[in-house]
Amino acid sequence: AQSVTQLGSHVSVSEGALVLLRCNYSSSVPPYLFWYVQYPNQGLQLLLKYTSAATLVKGINGFEAEFKKSETSFHLTKPSAHMSDAAEYFCAVSGSNDYKLSFGAGTTVTVRA
Amino acid sequence: SAVISQKPSRDICQRGTSLTIQCQVDSQVTMMFWYRQQPGQSLTLIATANQGSEATYESGFVIDKFPISRPNLTFSTLTVSNMSPEDSSIYLCSAKDFSSNEQFFGPGTRLTVL
Repeated sequence: AQSVTQLGSHVSVSEGALVLLRCNYSSSVPPYLFWYVQYPNQGLQLLLKYTSAATLVKGINGFEAEFKKSETSFHLTKPSAHMSDAAEYFCAVSGSNDYKLSFGAGTTVTVRA
Repeated sequence: SAVISQKPSRDICQRGTSLTIQCQVDSQVTMMFWYRQQPGQSLTLIATANQGSEATYESGFVIDKFPISRPNLTFSTLTVSNMSPEDSSIYLCSAKDFSSNEQFFGPGTRLTVL
């Protein structure tokens, strides 16, 4: 079984500051890890994914995440926040065979001008 | 990448009634899934929609309450039966295509039960 824990339900950053969203996973098999973003009243959009290739993964909109097996972590970062980054962010994990996603509780990001 | 549409986008229903949500993918996909997102919550997998056979339900979800069909590789329906206010949620369809390991999500159906 796989699960993820997102640390911090709400993150507030200043425009131009670093965005850091934390995600730790638990998996009995090599995991596939994902970060999704959900804007208000919209569906989910994939930001990036880790599927056992490079441990540093670059995604859309300037986001990246690093898979650290020793720490069972997959934290999401963006060097400089933009107002348009305000949204809900979900970390998710699946096994490599069943593709069923288990989501974290989500982190709401607000960006201060 | 697959583009997924859902109908209806939102609905307000009376308790005790049923609503069928449609999910259409613009290309053939291997796997389709249904998720529920309760107000202010994360997403929970309801079931995997299997083409040509009965859906596979997760713990806590049963076929009588959430019957699912998948007649072909691009279409699936989820019915929310005998609704109560606790069923008020966003229901999302997702699909995994043949060529990638990622899932694409539909825009969701926002259901309110009075």
